[in-house]
Amino acid sequence: DTEVTQTPKHLVMGMTNKKSLKCEQHMGHRAMYWYKQKAKKPPELMFVYSYEKLSINESVPSRFSPECPNSSLLNLHLHALQPEDSALYLCASSQERGSTEAFFGQGTRLTVV
Amino acid sequence: QQQVKQSPQSLIVQKGGIPIINCAYENTAFDYFPWYQQFPGKGPALLIAIRPDVSEKKEGRFTISFNKSAKQFSLHIMDSQPGDSATYFCAASMVGGSNYKLTFGKGTLLTVNP
Repeated sequence: DTEVTQTPKHLVMGMTNKKSLKCEQHMGHRAMYWYKQKAKKPPELMFVYSYEKLSINESVPSRFSPECPNSSLLNLHLHALQPEDSALYLCASSQERGSTEAFFGQGTRLTVV
Repeated sequence: QQQVKQSPQSLIVQKGGIPIINCAYENTAFDYFPWYQQFPGKGPALLIAIRPDVSEKKEGRFTISFNKSAKQFSLHIMDSQPGDSATYFCAASMVGGSNYKLTFGKGTLLTVNP
């Protein structure tokens, strides 16, 4: 099973809402990532978790709050987002941080209204 | 130093043609070069990857050519099919690096006409 599952697939939220994106993998990978992708652009790294600890934060605004409850799950908590935060949010995992193969989920299409 | 430059931005070929997408990098510390394929509304899928100790790698209809001295690598798709129509991203990273990060090219939108 080389699958990274993200829920929900689509999310529309107001600027005052609080919502969470979820990501799950059962490949035994110990590194998990959040990426943001705008239309017609490459993915941009947001956060890296290694062994359930946050190891990289790419200067992401505090309205995005990641959480890694265990080695299989990764959440991204959203609060007070702006319309420009509308994007495809991708979760990925790899065996270790810096290992060769990174597997991406299908993404959550987020629209902030 | 961290950039990966990808060209062309878009590419149209006929079925059976051989599209070629090129990437160039600056950082000589990069030692892993994957290609990702992304269909609309889907996440990127790892297609094929190469390490700098080999000059070519084939997997099915997909071939990576790697030129370490020129700091360039390219993707060739043999006998292209309409189902190959997608956006292709090259990327580079430092395996095992303390600041692991996939640095992506800007992407190439490939259209294969029937």
